[in-house]
Amino acid sequence: KQEVTQIPAALSVPEGENLVLNCSFTDSAIYNLQWFRQDPGKGLTSLLLIQSSQREQTSGRLNASLDKSSGRSTLYIAASQPGDSATYLCAPLGTYKYIFGTGTRLKVLA
Amino acid sequence: DVKVTQSSRYLVKRTGEKVFLECVQDMDHENMFWYRQDPGLGLRLIYFSYDVKMKEKGDIPEGYSVSREKKERFSLILESASTNQTSMYLCASTSGGTYSSYNEQFFGPGTRLTVL
Repeated sequence: KQEVTQIPAALSVPEGENLVLNCSFTDSAIYNLQWFRQDPGKGLTSLLLIQSSQREQTSGRLNASLDKSSGRSTLYIAASQPGDSATYLCAPLGTYKYIFGTGTRLKVLA
Repeated sequence: DVKVTQSSRYLVKRTGEKVFLECVQDMDHENMFWYRQDPGLGLRLIYFSYDVKMKEKGDIPEGYSVSREKKERFSLILESASTNQTSMYLCASTSGGTYSSYNEQFFGPGTRLTVL
């Protein structure tokens, strides 16, 4: 059964820092992996989708990489801003559907 | 723009009531999902549907049922609400067929349900 771990669970950084959020999963037989952002009390917003044949995807200041063989994905946020404060979740899509990590709660201080 | 809407943002019900949560997507997506989200437990899949009138149990289906009579609408039903069903309920949909690398999930805003 797929298990997804996100490290760190929480992170607090000053504005302007570049940061890396980590996602690891136990079953490498995945179709894709999606990164989401969730603001308190709200739904999930899709940030990036990496297909299983891809190694990375970029959108603005966000870059996500995928290493299926080692069961890892990272989300890189460049030049962080207070508006980036949110919880970030990763979700690989495998045989047993999407399995979500419990997220990294990010706070960017002005 | 892709859109998934849910019928209520906040809902308060009493124990034993029958509760309907509705989800509508305007993207002609085949697949629709219902999750609940609880602190420390993350998102857990309740039910999903790959087509009209099709449904499959997720990880925690007990106490819930679903209905999909039209492609764009997926309803979650709590037959007899209990206090342990107090939670945030999230609906999602994906395109791209079943188990495809093109599947991308889009979520609704969520319904915060409180059962007293």
